[in-house]
Amino acid sequence: QSVLTQSPSASGTPGQRITMSCSGSSSNIGTKAVHWYQLVSGTAPNLVIYNNDRRPSGVPDRFSGSKSGTSASLAISGLQSEDEADYYCASWDDSLNGPVFGGGTKLTVL
Amino acid sequence: QLQLQESGPGLVKPSETLSLTCTVSGNSVSDYSYYWGWIRQPPGKGLEWIGTIYYKGSTYYNPSLQSRVTMSVDMSKNQFSLKLSAVTAADAAVYYCGRRPNWNYVFDNWGQGTQVSVSS
Repeated sequence: QSVLTQSPSASGTPGQRITMSCSGSSSNIGTKAVHWYQLVSGTAPNLVIYNNDRRPSGVPDRFSGSKSGTSASLAISGLQSEDEADYYCASWDDSLNGPVFGGGTKLTVL
Repeated sequence: QLQLQESGPGLVKPSETLSLTCTVSGNSVSDYSYYWGWIRQPPGKGLEWIGTIYYKGSTYYNPSLQSRVTMSVDMSKNQFSLKLSAVTAADAAVYYCGRRPNWNYVFDNWGQGTQVSVSS
C-alpha cells in the first residue's frame, strides 16, 4: 500500500494531452514539493518534474506539473510513443522523515 | 556525467543478508552537497525508500526496515553499500541506488537497478 495514491493506468493517442494525478496528505504533498519519475523497465528512473512544476534540463516542455493542496498532477502534451512508461509521483513525508512514493501510473500510448 | 551502478548477488537465500554496492562515477560520494540512498520496487508494487546516507556517516532509515538495514560509504572506492539482514520473499525487488542534493528532497539521479530474488 503506497503512501501516495495514483490511478493505476492512463492512455492516449499520439498527439493527445493526458494528465495523471497523485494524492497525498498534509504530512507530505500538503507541505512538501512533488516530483515525478518516468520508469522504463531495465533503465534508470528518469526525473521529469521536480519541485511541483520544474523540468530538469533535457526533459521536453511537453511535460508539466502542478500541485494544489494535497494533490498534484502531471500532464504530457503532444503524446509520443516514447512516452509510454510507468510514472511515479514522490514527495517528502515528515512522519517518515524520508521520501514517499505513489503506486505508479502505467501510461499506454495507443 | 554522473552514473550510478548497482552490483551484488541476484539471488539471496531466506534468512541471509542481502548485500549491494553502488559505484558512483562523475561525482564524489564525499561531495558535501549530496546524500546517497537506496530505493526498491517489489514485483508489481510501487517504490519504497530504504535509507539514505551522508558521507560523514549519518544514516536515515525507513522505520519499517530499520532493524535490518545497514548502510555505509567507502570513499576510497567512491561507493556506498546496503546490507539487509534476515531477508524473506518480501524483500525480492529491483533495488535502485540514487543521489539526493542536500538542498532538495528529491533523488535526482538513479542507477538502472538490480534485480534481487530470495529463494532457497
